[in-house]
Amino acid sequence: EIVLTQSPDFQSVTPKEKVTITCRASQSIGSSLHWYQQKPDQSPKLLIKYASQSISGVPSRFSGSGSGTDFTLTINSLEAEDAATYYCHQSSSLPQTFGQGTKVEIK
Amino acid sequence: QVQLQESGPGLVKPSETLSLTCAVSGYSISSGYYWGWIRQPPGKGLEWIGSIYHSGSTYYNPSLKSRVTISVDTSKNQFSLKLSSVTAADTAVYYCARQGGYYDILTGYPPFDPWGQGTLVTVSS
Repeated sequence: EIVLTQSPDFQSVTPKEKVTITCRASQSIGSSLHWYQQKPDQSPKLLIKYASQSISGVPSRFSGSGSGTDFTLTINSLEAEDAATYYCHQSSSLPQTFGQGTKVEIK
Repeated sequence: QVQLQESGPGLVKPSETLSLTCAVSGYSISSGYYWGWIRQPPGKGLEWIGSIYHSGSTYYNPSLKSRVTISVDTSKNQFSLKLSSVTAADTAVYYCARQGGYYDILTGYPPFDPWGQGTLVTVSS
């Protein structure tokens, strides 16, 4: 099973700051890495697919990068509505797995 | 616009079988893709339970494989989850979601999108 480790677990950020969340895979997964945003009492929402591909309707301040074992989700100029927990997900091999989540709080 | 909606009992007794259905609208399951179940215990992270291909092929998480059955009913445009011998550890919000694409050896399986709203299932006597 491929283990995904996100860092940090928690981040408190002021509006307009830049946020960087990393996801490290226990073995190479190519670009089969996706990012989701989950707000309280809501279902997860796809933000970035295949490491760096944007999703229609998702604000352009969200971007992804990386390949192999190291991946990054960047939120440029954080807005209050971005308060949420962010998860990475690998679909390279079964079982599909998720990172433990990174909670982003707005100061 | 594809929409998914989970339904089923919110309370299940220990040792019994949890049964949920995911109704799909805006897309015909028989047309293609993978359809999956993911769960989230209260205050915790996400766990993939399993997925079914539109043709009926199934893929389960080995940690749950002995207790899980996922099936599809194309006539009703829905797919279902059964989890047997439940315990309190199976208490979670259960989500259904579409993996809208096909497996490729280079890119793997597609991401989950969209998701249903989720349904809380509590295991308790």
